[in-house]
Amino acid sequence: EAGVAQSPRYKIIEKRQSVAFWCNPISGHATLYWYQQILGQGPKLLIQFQNNGVVDDSQLPKDRFSAERLKGVDSTLKIQPAKLEDSAVYLCASSLVGSRKSYEQYFGPGTRLTVT
Amino acid sequence: AQSVTQPDIHITVSEGASLELRCNYSYGATPYLFWYVQSPGQGLQLLLKYFSGDTLVQGIKGFEAEFKRSQSSFNLRKPSVHWSDAAEYFCAVGADNDMRFGAGTRLTVKP
Repeated sequence: EAGVAQSPRYKIIEKRQSVAFWCNPISGHATLYWYQQILGQGPKLLIQFQNNGVVDDSQLPKDRFSAERLKGVDSTLKIQPAKLEDSAVYLCASSLVGSRKSYEQYFGPGTRLTVT
Repeated sequence: AQSVTQPDIHITVSEGASLELRCNYSYGATPYLFWYVQSPGQGLQLLLKYFSGDTLVQGIKGFEAEFKRSQSSFNLRKPSVHWSDAAEYFCAVGADNDMRFGAGTRLTVKP
């Protein structure tokens, strides 16, 4: 079974530029998550989708971050414009739907973003 | 909302020695509890999970964890550490459709 795929793996941009990350979840996983992991910290949820609807985006900085999950499969996370403090690893995860299954999350390798 | 504390930022153990990583949580009821491992440049991999029932849970790679309600803890253990266990370990707490991760404990294994 293929895991969660993410691209690119690394990205270096200057502040005020824009960047986009792509995620393809495990086949059949209706729930998709984007996390931000700053160096030395645990992952922090940015947004959660179930199929193509947003379940939770309370911690997404909506003035600069946006995400979409068209057709309920692949997802894209965008930052525009980027700030220095956005330097982090952006992790995508997916899970099945269910009271317990939704907590068993499978993570992709992440995209390491450096903003200079 | 729930919260997680991993008191140890960095632990060093010798290969073959036993390991215990600490995790404490704060939540009004019993949440779901998880341990993940992250190798350099990789995503997180689920080691084990606790939902209910037996408080001693077995996971992959020879790891186990024990839920202690009275101490609000879910410590991870391994009887004999291998050099390949060197990684970052995250405890996570799930409740109310929300997952919170600790800051992680970095494990170094000495030859």
